[in-house]
Amino acid sequence: SQQGEEDPQALSIQEGENATMNCSYKTSINNLQWYRQNSGRGLVHLILIRSNEREKHSGRLRVTLDTSKKSSSLLITASRAADTASYFCATGGLMDSNYQLIWGAGTKLIIKP
Amino acid sequence: GAGVSQSPSNKVTEKGKDVELRCDPISGHTALYWYRQRLGQGLEFLIYFQGNSAPDKSGLPSDRFSAERTGESVSTLTIQRTQQEDSAVYLCASSSQRGRTDTQYFGPGTRLTVL
Repeated sequence: SQQGEEDPQALSIQEGENATMNCSYKTSINNLQWYRQNSGRGLVHLILIRSNEREKHSGRLRVTLDTSKKSSSLLITASRAADTASYFCATGGLMDSNYQLIWGAGTKLIIKP
Repeated sequence: GAGVSQSPSNKVTEKGKDVELRCDPISGHTALYWYRQRLGQGLEFLIYFQGNSAPDKSGLPSDRFSAERTGESVSTLTIQRTQQEDSAVYLCASSSQRGRTDTQYFGPGTRLTVL
């Protein structure tokens, strides 16, 4: 089953509003990463948060991590049309005796002008 | 500097033909990954190379799929006797770190369509 599961699957908001996406996972992790994908092409790394961190900021992005609830959220403030993309979380940790990144299915974000 | 590049960007082929996809990682990156992404889906791990170590091929879906990498440079993913279910975007990523849980840098992908 999926290690990282994003919620919601799709989100449509007005430009200027804030967008929040969530990621839940099942096992212990070393870190959790968020990536953006435009138009089904290459992914771009946004932010990495380690298991001993609770919050991290990068520009208009804010990521939180709650290891007790095994969940993370990505907040994009003051959204812009250019933020329209799919957002994936990836959890890094020990899975099936190997350290690896496990990918969620993504949240499709649409910013309406 | 240059990012990860992939070629071709699009490939249309007939069922039963072989295809070869190429990935040029960022110079100096020892780790290289191949993923498959079907339409509207997440990333499906295929294979992982790390330096001169034996690759992790555990994600390859069938023996029709194979990949090679020479040292820490170019990698090719070969799909033999393509099937329609092979249609997907094939993504390559590289990393400068030895750990498989570190940040990955992706190429633009190759969109494969099998008719």
